[in-house]
Amino acid sequence: QVQLVESGGGVVQPGGSLRLSCAASGFTFSTYGMHWVRQAPGKGLEWVAFLRYDGSNKYYADSVKGRFTISRDNSKNTLYLQMNSLRAEDTAVYYCAKDPKGFGETYYFDYWGQGTLVTVSS
Amino acid sequence: EIVLTQSPATLSLSPGERATLSCRASQSVSSYLAWYQQKPGQAPRLLIYDASNRATGIPARFSGSGSGTDFTLTISSLEPEDFAVYYCQQRGNQLTFGGGTKVEIK
Repeated sequence: QVQLVESGGGVVQPGGSLRLSCAASGFTFSTYGMHWVRQAPGKGLEWVAFLRYDGSNKYYADSVKGRFTISRDNSKNTLYLQMNSLRAEDTAVYYCAKDPKGFGETYYFDYWGQGTLVTVSS
Repeated sequence: EIVLTQSPATLSLSPGERATLSCRASQSVSSYLAWYQQKPGQAPRLLIYDASNRATGIPARFSGSGSGTDFTLTISSLEPEDFAVYYCQQRGNQLTFGGGTKVEIK
């Protein structure tokens, strides 16, 4: 069965950096686009970034563009999110999520991890 | 950026009742809209994609309709496990979610 397990969250000071990882199993990771989606405490969902299955296209929300970088290692079945210049408003649970379509993208999310909490605070 | 407005914010219903949730887009999204269910402490779950297609394993009591700017998620007869928060999502050039509708037990 599909499993997505995020790690790397924690407490970081404003202006700091953090790298999140998402270990995937139960499907052919290298053939599916992947997303990061976040949820601030008690708030709604916000899409963060998308990376195509082959790494050829990346898209970011305006709120993180220039500060966050999405990447993947298909040999390790792992998705990453490098977060720099972190702000208080980046505090959220970060989910990795799988796109439903192999060798393409629908920009929906059919499987989600359980999330990792990032807290930006001094 | 396309803004999605969900209404009502909270829906208070009893098990067995019909739930009708609305999602309105600030501009046309064609049929490119999805619905998700989220329970406390859990990740969201995909229910409906492309406005009216049920995702794998989703019970038939969930149905979606609409196109353009107005969309509806209907739960024909609420089961105890359906009380949750529901989000709509569009897949334009910036993916966005609505603010959510909480379906609570009356």
